[in-house]
Amino acid sequence: GDSVTQMEGPVTLSEEAFLTINCTYTATGYPSLFWYVQYPGEGLQLLLKATKADDKGSNKGFEATYRKETTSFHLEKGSVQVSDSAVYFCALLGSGGSNYKLTFGKGTLLTVNP
Amino acid sequence: KAGVTQTPRYLIKTRGQQVTLSCSPISGHRSVSWYQQTPGQGLQFLFEYFSETQRNKGNFPGRFSGRQFSNSRSEMNVSTLELGDSALYLCASSDSGVEQYFGPGTRLTVT
Repeated sequence: GDSVTQMEGPVTLSEEAFLTINCTYTATGYPSLFWYVQYPGEGLQLLLKATKADDKGSNKGFEATYRKETTSFHLEKGSVQVSDSAVYFCALLGSGGSNYKLTFGKGTLLTVNP
Repeated sequence: KAGVTQTPRYLIKTRGQQVTLSCSPISGHRSVSWYQQTPGQGLQFLFEYFSETQRNKGNFPGRFSGRQFSNSRSEMNVSTLELGDSALYLCASSDSGVEQYFGPGTRLTVT
């Protein structure tokens, strides 16, 4: 079945540092890929998406590129802020029998210190 | 547009009881999905409904059920609650079937 593996945290950075959170996936067919963010006590917010190979999703300074050859979708940000502290989830939306179902990684807790 | 709303936000139940959670999707969205989030298992898919039809179901026991109404609002029911059912239950809605927008969740505690 489909699966997502992302680097486990916690990740602690200083403000303005560079962020990378690795994500790789296993899926049949051509999944769509997502990054979601969860702030304490809240639901998930869609951060960015990519629906086909070589697509780059971007939002609020975050970027991720859909790499089919390496089955990866790593999240990057050039300069993190304290307000970026949250849990980040990589997810895929399957095709075929996995339609309409998001499969999530375990989540990565990011803490940004001033 | 208003976002996805879930009621109640917090719930405490006793083992053996049953519970019903409600989700109102974003206006115009016809797909509603449910997920369970626990510290141990992470985020797991429960089921997805579109126009009152269940299109996909996750690997949960039959105690977990759901339905969708003609106005796209959805409910999920858990019968014979177990301690392990304590979790954050998240509802998501979609118009395209690709981008899913989540509500704030219902925190269920089973004692």
